[in-house]
Amino acid sequence: ETGVTQTPRHLVMGMTNKKSLKCEQHLGHNAMYWYKQSAKKPLELMFVYNFKEQTENNSVPSRFSPECPNSSHLFLHLHTLQPEDSALYLCASSQEYRGSEKLFFGSGTQLSVL
Amino acid sequence: GENVEQHPSTLSVQEGDSAVIKCTYSDSASNYFPWYKQELGKRPQLIIDIRSNVGEKKDQRIAVTLNKTAKHFSLHITETQPEDSAVYFCAVFSGSARQLTFGSGTQLTVLP
Repeated sequence: ETGVTQTPRHLVMGMTNKKSLKCEQHLGHNAMYWYKQSAKKPLELMFVYNFKEQTENNSVPSRFSPECPNSSHLFLHLHTLQPEDSALYLCASSQEYRGSEKLFFGSGTQLSVL
Repeated sequence: GENVEQHPSTLSVQEGDSAVIKCTYSDSASNYFPWYKQELGKRPQLIIDIRSNVGEKKDQRIAVTLNKTAKHFSLHITETQPEDSAVYFCAVFSGSARQLTFGSGTQLTVLP
């Protein structure tokens, strides 16, 4: 629909597991983002990649590790997560990273950490 | 950094009535103010945005007003319909912080 697809839609993992979230955009955009959405809280920017280069890292714990092999794909590698990391993780893209551009979001991965 | 406050957190209106959601921000250098709508179980989508050189923008039943002096902007929805029920997020782009900061969201419920 919007050209940004995320997999998986739901993920349950233990605190010792390693998993990865995947995002792909078919819009020809050059910037991709990871956001965390927790209940009753604002969307929190985690990482930004602009032309495959990481431009923002909002003091995210090292148990979250992003990877952007090209402008169309973005991954979020997860390891030794905590229960408080349970949230909806949204990927987004935009033409470029200038901040004042329309974001196109994926449907998100609902993550539960047990 | 930028501080964005959004009110109210929940809002219920009768179908056909108007709804107003307000956001305040702290950085006077902020220059871009979008609004996103997120229906239950769906992705956020941009519905309207305004830049700092404009005071008001309208798109059919939706309008946004900006008061730069007071550092607040508002979303106005007229003739509300049940399909307007969703969570609405304001956001602010601060040139100094170079980031888009979101408000905490408003759950709008339109009662039939």
